[in-house]
Amino acid sequence: AQKITQTQPGMFVQEKEAVTLDCTYDTSDQSYGLFWYKQPSSGEMIFLIYQGSYDEQNATEGRYSLNFQKARKSANLVISASQLGDSAMYFCAMREPGGFKTIFGAGTRLFVKA
Amino acid sequence: DAGVIQSPRHEVTEMGQEVTLRCKPISGHNSLFWYRQTMMRGLELLIYFNNNVPIDDSGMPEDRFSAKMPNASFSTLKIQPSEPRDSAVYFCASSLRENSNYGYTFGSGTRLTVV
Repeated sequence: AQKITQTQPGMFVQEKEAVTLDCTYDTSDQSYGLFWYKQPSSGEMIFLIYQGSYDEQNATEGRYSLNFQKARKSANLVISASQLGDSAMYFCAMREPGGFKTIFGAGTRLFVKA
Repeated sequence: DAGVIQSPRHEVTEMGQEVTLRCKPISGHNSLFWYRQTMMRGLELLIYFNNNVPIDDSGMPEDRFSAKMPNASFSTLKIQPSEPRDSAVYFCASSLRENSNYGYTFGSGTRLTVV
């Protein structure tokens, strides 16, 4: 069965510094998609970044980058130059082949300090 | 585009009552998902539809839960009878299955409280 593990319940980072949120996954499939979502205190879920299992380069979207290490089954999110508005819950997720079902990790709460 | 629209935003009901949650997906999206979020269990996939057809409802916790998608622009999640342990935030999300390298678009959620 597929599984997503986020081992950091909470993280603190100083404003303007970079932070890495950890994510490991388990799957026997060769084709899959990895995602990160942000959930601010207002509650909505916001898609941030995607990495395909066959993508050779790490995905980047503005200040977000995904450190994909396929052999280690890890897909860590790196946020550069943290801002106060980055304070939120962050979820790592994996979508099964065929593009249907997505499962989510337990999440990491990020606190950005001024 | 107005995004995924869920109603109501908040629902407080008494145990035993029927609850219906509603969702309007993004026009053109052919996949729709219902998730439940609780502190204890995180985000759980309840059911998903593709082209209005239920594909997998294995996440539906009990027979008290049912979901329908009568057309491409509307879906409901019904709980009958409701119980206090059903209290959670229920999210609806939609996506275009062919665009699998893009994440879901989530609605704002319905916060359900069963007393």
